[in-house]
Amino acid sequence: RKEVEQDPGPFNVPEGATVAFNCTYSNSASQSFFWYRQDCRKEPKLLMSVYSSGNEDGRFTAQLNRASQYISLLIRDSKLSDSATYLCVVLDNYGQNFVFGPGTRLSVLP
Amino acid sequence: NAGVTQTPKFQVLKTGQSMTLQCAQDMNHNSMYWYRQDPGMGLRLIYYSASEGTTDKGEVPNGYNVSRLNKREFSLRLESAAPSQTSVYFCASIRTGGISTEAFFGQGTRLTVV
Repeated sequence: RKEVEQDPGPFNVPEGATVAFNCTYSNSASQSFFWYRQDCRKEPKLLMSVYSSGNEDGRFTAQLNRASQYISLLIRDSKLSDSATYLCVVLDNYGQNFVFGPGTRLSVLP
Repeated sequence: NAGVTQTPKFQVLKTGQSMTLQCAQDMNHNSMYWYRQDPGMGLRLIYYSASEGTTDKGEVPNGYNVSRLNKREFSLRLESAAPSQTSVYFCASIRTGGISTEAFFGQGTRLTVV
């Protein structure tokens, strides 16, 4: 089993749609969780950290369920500019190793 | 504000050739990492350096060597390139701090081994 697994995608949604991405991780001792965004042929960039209580940043909401080892990202009112690959990232319990999921590609269509 | 500078951006090698990928950061971070990214695989850790003078193997270290030259620079060397090393390579510099931890990436090196 991979350490971090994500919805395989791709997700093709119309502008204005709400879309949710799911991620599961296998190391129960993992300590920190993140969503990164990667545009085509570009480097990954931090989208948001995921707090235990859940957190929101504008149209983006991240949730963490430690018991189920599950992380989610919800994008509301999606824009064309949201088209990218979304990477679920888990920092291991030593705080040293970022483990990346394979990513879920999102295409927002006009 | 350069952040993480990675060179070269593109490279084509013949099987058996060697090359060094360079990475430098100006953010005074202790930790630096090298990843490779292949389609459908996500980023996989090759080597990392938690501080100047230390390096450790990641998930896929075979065929690679690294040097943490100083706090700023962390290079990745392919001694004898193989087609299986065709990939996109990313260097990252890490700001550590629990939930505030963040990885800052270079622009990537697209390497093709023929």
